[in-house]
Amino acid sequence: SQQGEEDPQALSIQEGENATMNCSYKTSINNLQWYRQNSGRGLVHLILIRSNEREKHSGRLRVTLDTSKKSSSLLITASRAADTASYFCATALTGGGNKLTFGTGTQLKVEL
Amino acid sequence: NAGVTQTPKFQVLKTGQSMTLQCAQDMNHNSMYWYRQDPGMGLRLIYYSASEGTTDKGEVPNGYNVSRLNKREFSLRLESAAPSQTSVYFCASRTDSPSAQHFGDGTRLSIL
Repeated sequence: SQQGEEDPQALSIQEGENATMNCSYKTSINNLQWYRQNSGRGLVHLILIRSNEREKHSGRLRVTLDTSKKSSSLLITASRAADTASYFCATALTGGGNKLTFGTGTQLKVEL
Repeated sequence: NAGVTQTPKFQVLKTGQSMTLQCAQDMNHNSMYWYRQDPGMGLRLIYYSASEGTTDKGEVPNGYNVSRLNKREFSLRLESAAPSQTSVYFCASRTDSPSAQHFGDGTRLSIL
């Protein structure tokens, strides 16, 4: 079963706009991570937020975590065509060891 | 700096054939993982190895075996391939403590 569910499943925006993706999960976590996957390639790590953190920034990325709602959001500001990719959240469960559980992903398309 | 290397990149098998997917990492990581990615399902963990000499089942281990040959290499074997195993297979590795997983570019496997 999927631990994380991303919303929306697909998102199309114009270059320069902001893109927001949401992730909901079901059980207690140690940390939550976001990954990007370009077509035909492996996943690339973007950012990790620990369960005791509420917000984290990295360049044009902003991640929030609300453990009371079991949800996270990824904001990409001033999007570019090169941001076109699928984005996945992944949770490291409490007591889950070294394992991650991935969501189903959001397909982002940034148009010129 | 190769990172995680998977071979082969593409393979077509007939039902009942066997095959080993190879994965090697050059980052001196302790943990290694095998996932499968199917449309609309995100990534699902097949097997993982927290350290050299140990392996554990993930979410979908049936029909697969793994070998942690040494710290660098982690192979996935399909003993008798079935059409339901048609998928894209990803290998990943990571260091200890909360950290990112580093992915290879995948093996695209079709079973007829």
